[in-house]
Amino acid sequence: DQQVKQNSPSLSVQEGRISILNCDYTNSMFDYFLWYKKYPAEGPTFLISISSIKDKNEDGRFTVFLNKSAKHLSLHIVPSQPGDSAVYFCAASSLGGTSYGKLTFGQGTILTVHP
Amino acid sequence: DGGITQSPKYLFRKEGQNVTLSCEQNLNHDAMYWYRQDPGQGLRLIYYSQIVNDFQKGDIAEGYSVSREKKESFPLTVTSAQKNPTAFYLCASSPSGSTDTQYFGPGTRLTVL
Repeated sequence: DQQVKQNSPSLSVQEGRISILNCDYTNSMFDYFLWYKKYPAEGPTFLISISSIKDKNEDGRFTVFLNKSAKHLSLHIVPSQPGDSAVYFCAASSLGGTSYGKLTFGQGTILTVHP
Repeated sequence: DGGITQSPKYLFRKEGQNVTLSCEQNLNHDAMYWYRQDPGQGLRLIYYSQIVNDFQKGDIAEGYSVSREKKESFPLTVTSAQKNPTAFYLCASSPSGSTDTQYFGPGTRLTVL
């Protein structure tokens, strides 16, 4: 049962344009969401997060949007740079209960930014 | 320099042998985690520990064991009972076991021949 889904295995964009990575979740108990960036044979690097009390969080070129009613979040990268090429994972967690502190990850989306 | 270290980067073992993967952090984080990544899949939680001398099973704990005798160390043993041990293993830590951001080590690629 995939509770966090990234339905696009890959995305290709031109340098300077916007990259939009999408993520859907099914568990309504999730209330904290994160995006990680990962290069091959390395550990994921934290990018940005959002709490369910917000619908938008911005950090430089990265903005995460959360639509709770649709159980959907997206990561916008503007402008995209070739160095952004990596695998992007979204992750979700919930406070309390047996899942305290546990992250559930999506399958990842491979982003390629062409010069 | 604070961070999470995993060693070795690459590890080869023969089928039927137990192997222990190292994870050390000097971030003074209370919580530590072990994940496994397989091609085309997200990270799946093996075990996690919110505090020293305590740990819980994650989603795919079968065939694995852990210990948390020290705050900074959380070694993972892949036993011969794990049916598909070849994978990329990632260790992470966070300040507490709440919704704090988890920070990852560089990973260990285990190949069982």
